[in-house]
Amino acid sequence: AQSVTQLDSQVPVFEEAPVELRCNYSSSVSVYLFWYVQYPNQGLQLLLKYLSGSTLVESINGFEAEFNKSQTSFHLRKPSVHISDTAEYFCAVILLNYGGSQGNLIFGKGTKLSVKP
Amino acid sequence: DSGVTQTPKHLITATGQRVTLRCSPRSGDLSVYWYQQSLDQGLQFLIQYYNGEERAKGNILERFSAQQFPDLHSELNLSSLELGDSALYFCASSVGAITGELFFGEGSRLTVL
Repeated sequence: AQSVTQLDSQVPVFEEAPVELRCNYSSSVSVYLFWYVQYPNQGLQLLLKYLSGSTLVESINGFEAEFNKSQTSFHLRKPSVHISDTAEYFCAVILLNYGGSQGNLIFGKGTKLSVKP
Repeated sequence: DSGVTQTPKHLITATGQRVTLRCSPRSGDLSVYWYQQSLDQGLQFLIQYYNGEERAKGNILERFSAQQFPDLHSELNLSSLELGDSALYFCASSVGAITGELFFGEGSRLTVL
């Protein structure tokens, strides 16, 4: 069955340190990949997406993610985090079924990033 | 502000009761999605409507039902409530029927006592 795995439920880091939030998916077909962020007491917001083209995608606030087809991964990275990056991050995937139709968005269980001063 | 409005923000009720959660999508969006977020289950997809019609169904209990009205707002009805139904319920909207680009509301927090 299709699934999205976020290997770490919690990631504590110090301010200005680099961070990587891991995401792996299981699929034998092509996919679209997404990262969403949920700040405390808010709804989810789209952070970045991979649909096609360059495998490295960036967000406006310094996050980037790289699609690695051979490893079926879409890890999220930031070279230097801020206190304001404290949030829960969700990886999500859409299957591109054979014949070109698309499945629904499937979310991982989330990774809570806690940035400490 | 995502443009998606959910009411009420908080709701406390008792077991066995029925509640209705309301969602107004972003202007121009035809799809509405409902998700349940709890500590043990994470973010669970419940149901999607597109332009008034049910398009996809996820892990929605038979005690739960939803609909999308002609003005595109949506309601999620939860009945015979149980303690385990306590959760944050999110509505999201999108322009198309199938997309990964969803706009989420701030959620309705339901507490069942």
